[in-house]
Amino acid sequence: FILTQPHSMSESPGKTVTISCTRDSGSIASNYVQWYQQRPGSSPTTVIYEDNKRPSGVPDRFSGSIDSSSNSASLTISGLKTEDEADYFCQSYDSTTHVVFGGGTKLTVL
Amino acid sequence: QVQLQESGPGLVKPSETLSLSCSVAGDSVNSGDHYWNWIRQPPGKGLEWIGYWYVIGSTFYNPSLKSRAGVSVDTSNNQVSLTLTSVSAADTAVYFCARATLSAPGSFWLDLWGPGTLVTVSS
Repeated sequence: FILTQPHSMSESPGKTVTISCTRDSGSIASNYVQWYQQRPGSSPTTVIYEDNKRPSGVPDRFSGSIDSSSNSASLTISGLKTEDEADYFCQSYDSTTHVVFGGGTKLTVL
Repeated sequence: QVQLQESGPGLVKPSETLSLSCSVAGDSVNSGDHYWNWIRQPPGKGLEWIGYWYVIGSTFYNPSLKSRAGVSVDTSNNQVSLTLTSVSAADTAVYFCARATLSAPGSFWLDLWGPGTLVTVSS
């Protein structure tokens, strides 16, 4: 299966942005979706796992959800800060394809 | 605190074999609690999963690599290794090792990543 994300998004500090991740075949709800943040020159870190859980240390400005009607997952970041500027990748799994990443979304906060 | 650290040659010639190691500190690759993965990222591009090893000897790979990839474990040194044969310029990338935790059915969460190592394929 393929996970499709918007290539880039931009929003102003203090605003809210929602990044989508659409699965092309099979149900988005059949396996959990994770979201990773990657700043330039660094390895990815988790901001959301198992659709909507936040690892310790990730602020509650980050939230995740899935929508079966659109077969997509979403990452919402509220109260945007300049430090949120990064690439964001969604990721899921199935027993056939195993690990699949979305193409990534470059978020600009300006 | 668990840490992963990749190591290996930064330059590989076309048609040769790329070999990388990932040293695991603070966890055991044999514990059965995690899957041990290799993931790569070409410069300026997205993440591509290469494959993983699991304690029962299971290995699975991205079909796009057409059997060129191999992931294995050295339990005596607590390391995870990657080999990639017949490399070309398209294999130039930052290579990451990452631990996956299956915290619930249907979950495959890459919860810990190494810093990555850049491998350039060039003559």
